[in-house]
Amino acid sequence: AQKVTQAQTEISVVEKEDVTLDCVYETRDTTYYLFWYKQPPSGELVFLIRRNSFDEQNEISGRYSWNFQKSTSSFNFTITASQVVDSAVYFCALSDSFQHNNNDMRFGAGTRLTVKP
Amino acid sequence: EPEVTQTPSHQVTQMGQEVILRCVPISNHLYFYWYRQILGQKVEFLVSFYNNEISEKSEIFDDQFSVERPDGSNFTLKIRSTKLEDSAMYFCASIQGQAMNTEAFFGQGTRLTVV
Repeated sequence: AQKVTQAQTEISVVEKEDVTLDCVYETRDTTYYLFWYKQPPSGELVFLIRRNSFDEQNEISGRYSWNFQKSTSSFNFTITASQVVDSAVYFCALSDSFQHNNNDMRFGAGTRLTVKP
Repeated sequence: EPEVTQTPSHQVTQMGQEVILRCVPISNHLYFYWYRQILGQKVEFLVSFYNNEISEKSEIFDDQFSVERPDGSNFTLKIRSTKLEDSAMYFCASIQGQAMNTEAFFGQGTRLTVV
C-alpha cells in the first residue's frame, strides 16, 4: 500500500521567511513518482513538480526547491523568501502503480501555509 | 495551452437526486481520473479509466458511482442517489501516456453541495 504523510497541518510564517514543508512517503515499489501540488484559495490544483524514484538530485526553481531523500523516504519542499501569494494548501502525492499502469496519485493530507505580510 | 474543463463549476442538488459531473480531458490524453476533496480535507482518489473501462477504483467508489466516456470527448462521473456526505469538490484529471513520468492535468473542479 502506498501512503503519504504530511505531518504539518498548518504553518504560519512572516513574509520573507524561508519555510520547509515536509513529506514522507511509503511504498513497496522501486519505481515511483512524487509530486507537489499547490491549492490556492480559489481551489484549483496547480502542479509544481514531479520527481522519479531514480533521480535523487535536488531541484531548484526560483524560490522553490525540493529535497528528495530516498534513505528517509522524504520529499521536502522549501520556499525561500516567502511571499503572501504563497499562501495556499500544498499537497504531496505519490504514484507507484507501475505494474498496473494505473498512474493514480495518492495525496497527503496537505499543509496549509499562511504567509503574513 | 490545453486544459481539462469541468462543468458545472458548482452544483447544488437535493439528497437522493442523481447528478452527473462532466469533464472534457485534454484531447490526446489516454488516462482519466476522478478525485474528491471534502472541504478542508485531502484529495482522495476515486477512480481511474483507460481504454473505455475502469482500471482501478478506491473504496469510496461504491455502487452509487459510475463513470463513462460516452462520446470520446466527455468523461462523466454519475452519482445515482446523492447523500449529504457526497458534498465535496470533485476534480477530473487526465494524463497523456502510460508512463508515470507525465504530469496529471487537473480541471478546475466541480463543487457539489448536497442539501
